[in-house]
Amino acid sequence: DAKTTQPTSMDCAEGRAANLPCNHSTISGNEYVYWYRQIHSQGPQYIIHGLKNNETNEMASLIITEDRKSSTLILPHATLRDTAVYYCIVRVAHNAGNMLTFGGGTRLMVKP
Amino acid sequence: DAGVIQSPRHEVTEMGQEVTLRCKPISGHNSLFWYRQTMMRGLELLIYFNNNVPIDDSGMPEDRFSAKMPNASFSTLKIQPSEPRDSAVYFCASSPGQDTQYFGPGTRLTVL
Repeated sequence: DAKTTQPTSMDCAEGRAANLPCNHSTISGNEYVYWYRQIHSQGPQYIIHGLKNNETNEMASLIITEDRKSSTLILPHATLRDTAVYYCIVRVAHNAGNMLTFGGGTRLMVKP
Repeated sequence: DAGVIQSPRHEVTEMGQEVTLRCKPISGHNSLFWYRQTMMRGLELLIYFNNNVPIDDSGMPEDRFSAKMPNASFSTLKIQPSEPRDSAVYFCASSPGQDTQYFGPGTRLTVL
């Protein structure tokens, strides 16, 4: 699976959009971009994933560049409860096991 | 839906003792994963099962670690004998086999 690069930490004001970048310049054509987050003392939580089109769900939006070498997770109106470590993971989706390789992630601090 | 259930939530034991961690996956999910998280190494995949069969145990650190999945609704991770360096949070996750992994709350293990 391709390696990802994320900033170590970011701050965001409550109520503002949080834009979390991820570089994955070695991504292959059949690899998806996944985002998970881990709130303190909890297990990781799935947020969103995509292949090449932008995706949106009730939690966030995922913007993938046309060359697929980078992406941005957008939390449109960040709240204090969005303070967490956000992991960008690139992997091939297949049926027999969906292994996730977690990097260091971005520690997002949402401030009042 | 109760989500992934792990027990115990906290375990404190002495070096040399046997430790058994338990996991009940979400009903209907056919893949199960065991992860370990430490400050130094982050989140690491230890082993995963598909349809109760171990598929990849390359992440299991050594022979002191063993995992079983006797049926679709139960899995154990055993450490025998335990050592202080095994202290970590152990997460179990399950997946319906396609995209998303659902993580349990974790077991915090402390080996004295």
